[in-house]
Amino acid sequence: QSVLTQPPSASGTPGQRVTISCSGSSSNIGSNYVYWYQQLPGTAPKLLIYRDYQRPSGVPDRFSGSKSGTSASLAISGLRSEDEADYYCAAWDDSLRGPVFGTGTKVTVL
Amino acid sequence: EVQLLESGGGLVQPGGSLRLSCAASGFTFSSYAMNWVRQAPGKGLEWVSGISGSGGFTYYADSVKGRLTISRDNSKNTLYLQMNSLRAEDTAVYSCAKGDGSRIADLADYWGQGTLVTVSS
Repeated sequence: QSVLTQPPSASGTPGQRVTISCSGSSSNIGSNYVYWYQQLPGTAPKLLIYRDYQRPSGVPDRFSGSKSGTSASLAISGLRSEDEADYYCAAWDDSLRGPVFGTGTKVTVL
Repeated sequence: EVQLLESGGGLVQPGGSLRLSCAASGFTFSSYAMNWVRQAPGKGLEWVSGISGSGGFTYYADSVKGRLTISRDNSKNTLYLQMNSLRAEDTAVYSCAKGDGSRIADLADYWGQGTLVTVSS
């Protein structure tokens, strides 16, 4: 039950900046923290951003998160080949009384 | 170092049951919410169930309510998922994920590698 909408794909050349959007509603993004995960092919998801914009230790500062109203964004600056992966946003939903993931965005480095 | 190791997956017939386990280490287990998340082949991520650090609060996705039961044993640092009345659409890799706080609304910060559940006759 994906109630968070992401673009299915995004791409850029090495060194470029790529932004991924995550659109929700007042019951999820509008009132709760947003998390972002990176899933490399064949691996478990990895936390990139927590509580809207916080970066766990070890995550490069090339990754940044922001939120405004009922939408959030993940920006990847200085794009690198190892950034090719699927990216998911997530948030708690007060109406569903559970967390929800975004639809996922596949990032390709051209 | 946080480690999460799932076990218990396998092939089961429709209508059958399985019990998944997740052995946790590297953190104070009882202080953190825990979750089960699944990913069907070639599909996106889906939260299945979660439980607060104390075990007093739980949530279930609508797709699994009444069929799956989450529990935890804080004395054994282990998370469980009892899966009953399994359906073909439950086929997925099931991963346990540690919350970044004690509440069920504190979403995941670490994930295990997962265990594959295949529901087929």
